[in-house]
Amino acid sequence: GAVVSQHPSWVICKSGTSVKIECRSLDFQATTMFWYRQFPKQSLMLMATSNEGSKATYEQGVEKDKFLINHASLTLSTLTVTSAHPEDSSFYICSASQDTGGLQETQYFGPGTRLLVL
Amino acid sequence: AQKITQTQPGMFVQEKEAVTLDCTYDTSDPSYGLFWYKQPSSGEMIFLIYQGSYDQQNATEGRYSLNFQKARKSANLVISASQLGDSAMYFCAMREGGATNKLIFGTGTLLAVQP
Repeated sequence: GAVVSQHPSWVICKSGTSVKIECRSLDFQATTMFWYRQFPKQSLMLMATSNEGSKATYEQGVEKDKFLINHASLTLSTLTVTSAHPEDSSFYICSASQDTGGLQETQYFGPGTRLLVL
Repeated sequence: AQKITQTQPGMFVQEKEAVTLDCTYDTSDPSYGLFWYKQPSSGEMIFLIYQGSYDQQNATEGRYSLNFQKARKSANLVISASQLGDSAMYFCAMREGGATNKLIFGTGTLLAVQP
């Protein structure tokens, strides 16, 4: 149980184009999904928290107009990198939690999406 | 200030030996949870083990155990009988009490298991 998928697993795009990444919880309903960014050999940096049916909460320094997040259903959240530039190249990883309550609530992570902007 | 500190950027361990990965944390919240995740080269984050701040006993999950020393604010991961497949990045993370359910991650430790 608790499987999270991401699509695509990798994408190469030209500078100036927009890229959409999907995150799906396959066998549970995810009230909350999280989007992280990870640079090589670095830790995960939380970009935003998305709750189904409401606007995402962005971390300080993350441009909400640049990284559009839509949590359309309890099993799907999307991250759109708008007008991507080479500095947006990174590993983007999502996680999902059921929010049944309690500190022990585990975040289950997707396999990640490698974005390369040329 | 760093909330989660992993001081070991990398470690070697011989196959079948035990290894301890260090993690210290900083919080003034009496209610918190500590997690360890494994990230192989493929990139996915795999949940390993959880320890709650009020748990009386150290958490264990198979070959993984957590050496929780609350007064020292440390939550070291112990992997017993290391296997080649244990080679990966290991991240310690913390969730504080309150409304947020965000995880704060450490910088990670790269573990290499040698045959």
